[in-house]
This record gives sequence, C-alpha cells and structure tokens, in this order.
Amino acid sequence: TQLLEQSPQFLSIQEGENLTVYCNSSSVFSSLQWYRQEPGEGPVLLVTVVTGGEVKKLKRLTFQFGDARKDSSLHITAAQPGDTGLYLCYGSGNTGKLIFGQGTTLQVKP
Amino acid sequence: GAGVSQSPSNKVTEKGKDVELRCDPISGHTALYWYRQSLGQGLEFLIYFQGNSAPDKSGLPSDRFSAERTGGSVSTLTIQRTQQEDSAVYLCASSLGSRGSTYEQYFGPGTRLTVT
Repeated sequence: TQLLEQSPQFLSIQEGENLTVYCNSSSVFSSLQWYRQEPGEGPVLLVTVVTGGEVKKLKRLTFQFGDARKDSSLHITAAQPGDTGLYLCYGSGNTGKLIFGQGTTLQVKP
Repeated sequence: GAGVSQSPSNKVTEKGKDVELRCDPISGHTALYWYRQSLGQGLEFLIYFQGNSAPDKSGLPSDRFSAERTGGSVSTLTIQRTQQEDSAVYLCASSLGSRGSTYEQYFGPGTRLTVT
C-alpha cells in the first residue's frame, strides 16, 4: 500500500520564523502536488512537481521533489499569519491510486 | 467562471437515515472525485469518475455508500443507513485531466455531515 506521511502533523510558530514540512513515502510517485486548505474551504493547489530533484519557488514558499521521487518538502521563509492553514501533499501512485497525506496544520501567530 | 459547488453546505441527520450530497463540477471537467475529511485531517479518497468510463469505487468504505454521475456532469453521493462514524466533511473536486495526471483538482467547499 502506498502511503504519504507528512511531518510534523502540527506546527505553531511566531510570525517571521522559517519552517519546513515534509512529505515522505517508501514508494515512487510520478508527480506530487501540494495543496493548502483554509477552514471551511476546499484545498487549493500550490504547486506540482514532476521531476526528481526539482525545486520550485512561489514567493516565500520553496518546494522540492526528492531525487528518487519518493519525498517532497515545503519550506516557508518568514512565515506570516496568512500562511496559517492545513498543508496537504498529494500523489498519484504507480497503480493510479490517489493518495493524500494526513496533512500538516500550520498556525502562525502575529 | 463558476467553481465547483456542493449542496447542502451542512447536513444534520439522524442515525439510520439516508442522505444525498450533490456536486456540480466545473463545466468541461471530465474527472470528478469525492473525498471524505475528518476534522483537521487529510483527505480520504472515496470514488473517481472519468468521462464515460466505469468509476473507480475502491475507496468507498462500505456498501452503504454509492455515487453516480449523470450526463458526465452533476454527481450525487448517497449514504444509506447513516452511522455516527459517517460524520465528516465530504469534498468534491473536478479536474480537466485524468487520474495520475498533473492537472489541478478544483475543490468545492464541502458538505459537513453530522449524524446524531
């Protein structure tokens, strides 16, 4: 069974701090996506990574796909209260299964 | 343009009753997904529709759950004889591409189901 494990599950930090969220698997994924969800809303796509070793930047957010395409990380620089939310990684496994990680709840305090 | 809409936004039902949840995907999106989410948790895949192909029902937790998609557009998720453990937010998403692609999934706001 392919799984995506996210860590940490919960993170509470002060505005201005940096943080990294991890999404790991023992299996290879053809692509990984990161979504962010705010309370009462559906998730919204942040980025898609498809190439091993790929790094993508979205303003203060940096996403990396592992060389072996088994893991990914999301790094936020100088976090702001608007970054608060549930961060979800999502992958399409080699059997076509749709797999979401269990999520990382980020709280950024002003 | 209009996004994915879901109705009702909230549903409270008594244990044992049947419920129907509706999803209106973005026009032209061939793929439609249903997920279930417990409070603060990740998404649990339920069912996937792609065009006219047979749906992938592998995520449905029991035979009390069923879904249909009429005319390749609107979808209804039905839960029969609801149980308290069915309480969750049910999210619908649609996409231009098929499963396994890198297409973005567009999510609706969800239906919060509470079984008392």
